[in-house]
Amino acid sequence: AQTVTQSQPEMSVQEAETVTLSCTYDTSESDYYLFWYKQPPSRQMILVIRQEAYKQQNATENRFSVNFQKAAKSFSLKISDSQLGDAAMYFCAPGGAGNQFYFGTGTSLTVIP
Amino acid sequence: DTGVSQDPRHKITKRGQNVTFRCDPISEHNRLYWYRQTLGQGPEFLTYFQNEAQLEKSRLLSDRFSAERPKGSFSTLEIQRTEQGDSAMYLCASSLGFGVAKTQYFGPGTRLLVL
Repeated sequence: AQTVTQSQPEMSVQEAETVTLSCTYDTSESDYYLFWYKQPPSRQMILVIRQEAYKQQNATENRFSVNFQKAAKSFSLKISDSQLGDAAMYFCAPGGAGNQFYFGTGTSLTVIP
Repeated sequence: DTGVSQDPRHKITKRGQNVTFRCDPISEHNRLYWYRQTLGQGPEFLTYFQNEAQLEKSRLLSDRFSAERPKGSFSTLEIQRTEQGDSAMYLCASSLGFGVAKTQYFGPGTRLLVL
Protein backbone atom coordinates (compact mmCIF):
# COMPACT_ATOMS: atom_id res chain seq x y z
CA ALA A 1 0.00 0.00 0.00
CA GLN A 2 1.06 3.52 -0.61
CA THR A 3 1.57 6.03 2.15
CA VAL A 4 1.05 9.74 1.77
CA THR A 5 2.34 12.38 4.17
CA GLN A 6 1.12 15.94 4.30
CA SER A 7 3.17 17.42 7.09
CA GLN A 8 1.35 20.75 7.32
CA PRO A 9 -2.06 20.27 8.97
CA GLU A 10 -2.79 24.00 8.64
CA MET A 11 -1.43 26.79 6.52
CA SER A 12 -2.41 30.41 6.08
CA VAL A 13 -1.63 32.92 3.37
CA GLN A 14 -2.37 36.56 2.74
CA GLU A 15 -4.64 37.25 -0.18
CA ALA A 16 -2.62 37.74 -3.38
CA GLU A 17 0.44 36.05 -1.88
CA THR A 18 1.95 32.65 -2.71
CA VAL A 19 1.79 29.52 -0.63
CA THR A 20 3.27 26.05 -1.05
CA LEU A 21 1.71 22.89 0.33
CA SER A 22 3.96 19.88 0.73
CA CYS A 23 3.33 16.21 0.08
CA THR A 24 5.58 13.18 0.17
CA TYR A 25 4.58 9.66 -0.71
CA ASP A 26 5.88 6.18 -0.89
CA THR A 27 5.03 3.89 -3.78
CA SER A 28 6.37 0.83 -5.54
CA GLU A 29 4.57 1.72 -8.74
CA SER A 30 6.60 2.79 -11.74
CA ASP A 31 3.79 4.37 -13.71
CA TYR A 32 1.31 6.57 -11.93
CA TYR A 33 -0.38 9.91 -11.78
CA LEU A 34 -0.42 12.27 -8.84
CA PHE A 35 -3.29 14.53 -7.96
CA TRP A 36 -4.11 17.47 -5.76
CA TYR A 37 -7.73 17.78 -4.75
CA LYS A 38 -9.44 20.64 -3.00
CA GLN A 39 -12.34 20.17 -0.59
CA PRO A 40 -14.11 23.44 0.30
CA PRO A 41 -16.35 23.64 3.34
CA SER A 42 -19.25 22.30 1.21
CA ARG A 43 -17.12 19.13 1.14
CA GLN A 44 -17.25 18.20 -2.55
CA MET A 45 -13.80 17.16 -3.72
CA ILE A 46 -12.58 19.08 -6.76
CA LEU A 47 -9.55 18.28 -8.87
CA VAL A 48 -6.95 21.05 -8.73
CA ILE A 49 -4.11 19.65 -10.78
CA ARG A 50 -2.70 16.41 -12.11
CA GLN A 51 0.87 15.29 -12.80
CA GLU A 52 1.95 12.27 -14.81
CA ALA A 53 4.92 10.64 -13.13
CA TYR A 54 6.73 9.86 -16.37
CA LYS A 55 6.74 13.53 -17.37
CA GLN A 56 9.62 15.58 -16.09
CA GLN A 57 7.89 18.87 -16.76
CA ASN A 58 5.93 20.15 -13.80
CA ALA A 59 2.20 20.59 -14.36
CA THR A 60 0.67 24.05 -14.31
CA GLU A 61 -2.97 25.04 -14.22
CA ASN A 62 -3.50 28.79 -14.11
CA ARG A 63 -2.44 29.93 -10.60
CA PHE A 64 -1.67 26.37 -9.50
CA SER A 65 1.58 24.58 -10.19
CA VAL A 66 3.43 21.60 -8.80
CA ASN A 67 7.03 20.82 -7.96
CA PHE A 68 7.38 17.12 -8.68
CA GLN A 69 10.58 15.43 -7.54
CA LYS A 70 10.17 11.80 -8.52
CA ALA A 71 13.35 10.47 -6.94
CA ALA A 72 12.51 12.17 -3.66
CA LYS A 73 8.84 11.18 -3.99
CA SER A 74 7.81 14.73 -3.32
CA PHE A 75 4.85 16.49 -4.88
CA SER A 76 4.23 20.00 -3.62
CA LEU A 77 1.49 22.40 -4.72
CA LYS A 78 2.14 26.09 -5.22
CA ILE A 79 -0.76 28.51 -5.25
CA SER A 80 0.08 31.94 -6.63
CA ASP A 81 -1.97 35.11 -6.20
CA SER A 82 -4.07 33.43 -3.52
CA GLN A 83 -7.76 34.22 -3.52
CA LEU A 84 -10.41 33.92 -0.82
CA GLY A 85 -12.00 31.10 -2.78
CA ASP A 86 -8.83 29.04 -2.38
CA ALA A 87 -9.62 28.47 1.29
CA ALA A 88 -10.24 24.73 1.66
CA MET A 89 -8.74 21.42 2.66
CA TYR A 90 -6.17 20.25 0.14
CA PHE A 91 -5.44 16.58 -0.34
CA CYS A 92 -2.54 15.01 -2.14
CA ALA A 93 -3.33 11.65 -3.79
CA PRO A 94 -1.01 9.40 -5.78
CA GLY A 95 -2.84 6.98 -8.04
CA GLY A 96 -1.43 3.78 -9.43
CA ALA A 97 -2.05 0.44 -11.04
CA GLY A 98 -4.12 -0.55 -8.03
CA ASN A 99 -6.73 1.89 -9.25
CA GLN A 100 -7.42 3.35 -5.86
CA PHE A 101 -6.20 6.66 -4.60
CA TYR A 102 -4.38 6.98 -1.30
CA PHE A 103 -5.13 10.33 0.26
CA GLY A 104 -3.06 12.21 2.76
CA THR A 105 -4.59 13.69 5.91
CA GLY A 106 -4.90 17.04 4.19
CA THR A 107 -3.77 20.62 4.71
CA SER A 108 -6.32 23.19 5.78
CA LEU A 109 -5.59 26.45 3.95
CA THR A 110 -6.84 29.76 5.30
CA VAL A 111 -6.69 32.84 3.11
CA ILE A 112 -6.44 36.08 5.06
CA PRO A 113 -8.02 39.13 3.41
CA ASP B 1 -22.32 16.93 -18.62
CA THR B 2 -23.78 16.28 -15.19
CA GLY B 3 -21.41 15.35 -12.44
CA VAL B 4 -21.49 12.46 -10.00
CA SER B 5 -24.63 12.47 -7.90
CA GLN B 6 -25.32 10.74 -4.61
CA ASP B 7 -28.53 10.10 -2.76
CA PRO B 8 -29.39 10.76 -0.01
CA ARG B 9 -27.16 13.64 0.99
CA HIS B 10 -27.81 13.04 4.67
CA LYS B 11 -28.97 9.99 6.59
CA ILE B 12 -29.66 9.61 10.29
CA THR B 13 -30.32 6.11 11.53
CA LYS B 14 -30.41 4.15 14.71
CA ARG B 15 -27.79 1.59 15.56
CA GLY B 16 -28.68 -1.80 14.16
CA GLN B 17 -30.65 -0.50 11.20
CA ASN B 18 -29.71 -1.10 7.57
CA VAL B 19 -29.01 1.79 5.22
CA THR B 20 -28.46 2.00 1.48
CA PHE B 21 -26.79 4.75 -0.48
CA ARG B 22 -26.93 5.33 -4.21
CA CYS B 23 -24.33 6.79 -6.56
CA ASP B 24 -24.89 7.82 -10.17
CA PRO B 25 -21.56 8.27 -11.94
CA ILE B 26 -20.81 10.51 -14.88
CA SER B 27 -22.35 8.82 -17.89
CA GLU B 28 -19.97 6.54 -19.80
CA HIS B 29 -17.50 6.40 -16.92
CA ASN B 30 -16.55 2.76 -16.61
CA ARG B 31 -14.98 2.99 -13.16
CA LEU B 32 -16.75 3.70 -9.91
CA TYR B 33 -15.24 4.02 -6.45
CA TRP B 34 -16.54 4.25 -2.91
CA TYR B 35 -14.61 6.01 -0.17
CA ARG B 36 -15.30 6.76 3.47
CA GLN B 37 -14.19 9.99 5.08
CA THR B 38 -14.25 10.79 8.78
CA LEU B 39 -13.74 14.23 10.26
CA GLY B 40 -10.20 15.51 9.93
CA GLN B 41 -9.10 12.68 7.67
CA GLY B 42 -8.65 12.12 3.99
CA PRO B 43 -10.94 9.73 2.14
CA GLU B 44 -10.24 6.03 2.66
CA PHE B 45 -10.82 3.61 -0.18
CA LEU B 46 -13.60 1.06 0.28
CA THR B 47 -14.23 -0.60 -3.06
CA TYR B 48 -13.96 -0.19 -6.80
CA PHE B 49 -15.92 -1.34 -9.86
CA GLN B 50 -14.91 -1.56 -13.45
CA ASN B 51 -18.20 -1.68 -15.31
CA GLU B 52 -20.30 -4.15 -13.31
CA ALA B 53 -17.39 -6.11 -11.87
CA GLN B 54 -16.26 -5.38 -8.32
CA LEU B 55 -12.50 -5.67 -8.72
CA GLU B 56 -11.13 -4.55 -5.41
CA LYS B 57 -12.29 -4.30 -1.81
CA SER B 58 -10.53 -2.77 1.14
CA ARG B 59 -10.11 -4.60 4.41
CA LEU B 60 -12.13 -1.69 5.80
CA LEU B 61 -15.14 -3.19 4.05
CA SER B 62 -16.45 -5.56 6.69
CA ASP B 63 -19.05 -8.25 6.05
CA ARG B 64 -21.73 -5.74 6.97
CA PHE B 65 -20.91 -3.68 3.90
CA SER B 66 -21.93 -4.68 0.41
CA ALA B 67 -21.75 -2.80 -2.85
CA GLU B 68 -23.26 -3.47 -6.23
CA ARG B 69 -23.17 -1.95 -9.66
CA PRO B 70 -25.76 -3.74 -11.75
CA LYS B 71 -25.45 -3.16 -15.48
CA GLY B 72 -22.38 -1.05 -14.91
CA SER B 73 -24.30 2.14 -14.33
CA PHE B 74 -25.36 3.36 -10.88
CA SER B 75 -24.04 1.76 -7.72
CA THR B 76 -25.44 1.09 -4.28
CA LEU B 77 -23.61 0.73 -0.99
CA GLU B 78 -25.49 -1.04 1.78
CA ILE B 79 -24.50 -1.14 5.41
CA GLN B 80 -26.26 -3.75 7.50
CA ARG B 81 -26.64 -3.57 11.28
CA THR B 82 -25.13 -0.12 11.46
CA GLU B 83 -22.79 0.77 14.30
CA GLN B 84 -21.87 4.18 15.69
CA GLY B 85 -18.43 3.76 14.16
CA ASP B 86 -20.01 3.77 10.72
CA SER B 87 -20.81 7.46 11.11
CA ALA B 88 -18.89 9.19 8.33
CA MET B 89 -19.16 10.81 4.94
CA TYR B 90 -19.44 8.23 2.16
CA LEU B 91 -18.01 9.50 -1.10
CA CYS B 92 -18.51 8.12 -4.56
CA ALA B 93 -16.22 8.87 -7.49
CA SER B 94 -16.08 7.84 -11.12
CA SER B 95 -13.46 7.83 -13.83
CA LEU B 96 -12.97 6.83 -17.43
CA GLY B 97 -10.29 4.58 -18.77
CA PHE B 98 -8.19 1.51 -18.16
CA GLY B 99 -4.80 0.81 -16.66
CA VAL B 100 -3.21 3.40 -14.44
CA ALA B 101 -5.64 5.26 -12.20
CA LYS B 102 -6.94 8.32 -13.97
CA THR B 103 -8.65 11.41 -12.66
CA GLN B 104 -11.53 10.61 -10.35
CA TYR B 105 -14.55 12.89 -10.19
CA PHE B 106 -16.26 12.98 -6.84
CA GLY B 107 -19.86 13.33 -5.83
CA PRO B 108 -21.09 15.50 -2.95
CA GLY B 109 -21.16 12.57 -0.54
CA THR B 110 -23.70 11.04 1.80
CA ARG B 111 -23.27 11.99 5.43
CA LEU B 112 -24.31 9.16 7.72
CA LEU B 113 -25.00 9.60 11.42
CA VAL B 114 -25.67 6.50 13.47
CA LEU B 115 -27.30 7.18 16.82
